[in-house]
Amino acid sequence: DIQMTQSPSTLSASVGDRVTITCRASQSISSWLAWYQQKPGKAPKLLIYKASSLQSGVPSRFSGSGSGTEFTLTISSLQPDDFATYYCQQYNSYPYSFGQGTKLEIK
Amino acid sequence: QITLKESGPTLVKPTQTLTLTCTFSGFSLSTSGVGVGWIRQPPGKALEWLALIYWDDDKRYSPSLKSRLTITKDTSKNQLVLTMTNMDPVDTATYYCAHFNYDILTGPNYYYYYYMDVWGKGTTVTVSS
Repeated sequence: DIQMTQSPSTLSASVGDRVTITCRASQSISSWLAWYQQKPGKAPKLLIYKASSLQSGVPSRFSGSGSGTEFTLTISSLQPDDFATYYCQQYNSYPYSFGQGTKLEIK
Repeated sequence: QITLKESGPTLVKPTQTLTLTCTFSGFSLSTSGVGVGWIRQPPGKALEWLALIYWDDDKRYSPSLKSRLTITKDTSKNQLVLTMTNMDPVDTATYYCAHFNYDILTGPNYYYYYYMDVWGKGTTVTVSS
């Protein structure tokens, strides 16, 4: 099974900051990686698929990069609505697996 | 517009069988390429993929839960059903169903890679005596 590891687990930042979250896969997953945003009590929302493709309707301040085993999610200028938990997920092979999450908090 | 809604009991006793239903609209599970599946999230913990069923009735399960899970579809009702046997308090979680979209890798053959693009709001299940 492929293990997904995110860092950091918690990130404190301010509105307007540029932030980056890293996700590492235990083996190569090519570009078959998605990023989700989840707010408390809500379902996850797809942000990025295929490592760098922006889902329709998602603001362009979100971007993804990487391939193989190392990936990043970048938010170019944090907005108040962006404080949430972010998960990466590989869909290269079964069983699909998620990272443990990165909680983005207001500094 | 694709929507999904989960339903089922909020409380089950240990050893009982859980049955969850996902009712969806905006797509058909009889259309080639379509996939729908289940994911859960224990309180305060990460997401865990459980099962996936495709338009052609191909089914995939999490190996750690495979012996306890059954996923079925009813295309006439636009519904997906998940059963989980022998429930335990550690199975307490919010259960989500999701529509799976896909990327295609072309070459000598076509390979489809599925990701979750639309999620239901989830249903919370507590396992307790």
